[in-house]
Amino acid sequence: AQSVTQLDSHVSVSEGTPVLLRCNYSSSYSPSLFWYVQHPNKGLQLLLKYTSAATLVKGINGFEAEFKKSETSFHLTKPSAHMSDAAEYFCVGEAGTALIFGKGTTLSVSS
Amino acid sequence: GAGVSQSPRYKVAKRGQDVALRCDPISGHVSLFWYQQALGQGPEFLTYFQNEAQLDKSGLPSDRFFAERPEGSVSTLKIQRTQQEDSAVYLCASSPTLGGLSGNTIYFGEGSWLTVV
Repeated sequence: AQSVTQLDSHVSVSEGTPVLLRCNYSSSYSPSLFWYVQHPNKGLQLLLKYTSAATLVKGINGFEAEFKKSETSFHLTKPSAHMSDAAEYFCVGEAGTALIFGKGTTLSVSS
Repeated sequence: GAGVSQSPRYKVAKRGQDVALRCDPISGHVSLFWYQQALGQGPEFLTYFQNEAQLDKSGLPSDRFFAERPEGSVSTLKIQRTQQEDSAVYLCASSPTLGGLSGNTIYFGEGSWLTVV
């Protein structure tokens, strides 16, 4: 079984500064990992996914994540935050037919 | 429609009332999932259908929860004798692929918000 832990419940950044949302995973095998974003009153949207190919994964809206097996991490980054990035972000793993969601990180972006 | 459609979007139920939540997956998607998202939490898996077969219902919290997908397309999640702890957003998702996830993308609806008073 796989589990994911999001290390920060809330991250605040200024517009134009870098974003780092941290996620650690635990798995006895090479996992599939995802980042999803959820804007208020909107459905979950897939940002990017890792499936044992390239360790640096590029997603939509300028986000990327790097799979680091030695650190069991899959942190989400973006070079420059935009106001529209303010949302809830979930790091997600898999267990059989189920996606396993972290508790979420709320990203706030100030002008 | 182009995406996963759920109805009703908002439902207020009195404690003890039965509710039914509907999900229209993306046309042709064979896999369908239900998740429950409590306030301030990440979604939690409830159940999985492959076509009309319910292959995994390990996440259903009690026997008051029942899901069906009789013709392999539209699905209904039914909650009997609702309790306050059932208040949550119920998310439906679908995928065009069979079997386990294995990194395949699944597509979520906007959810049905259930409040039990």
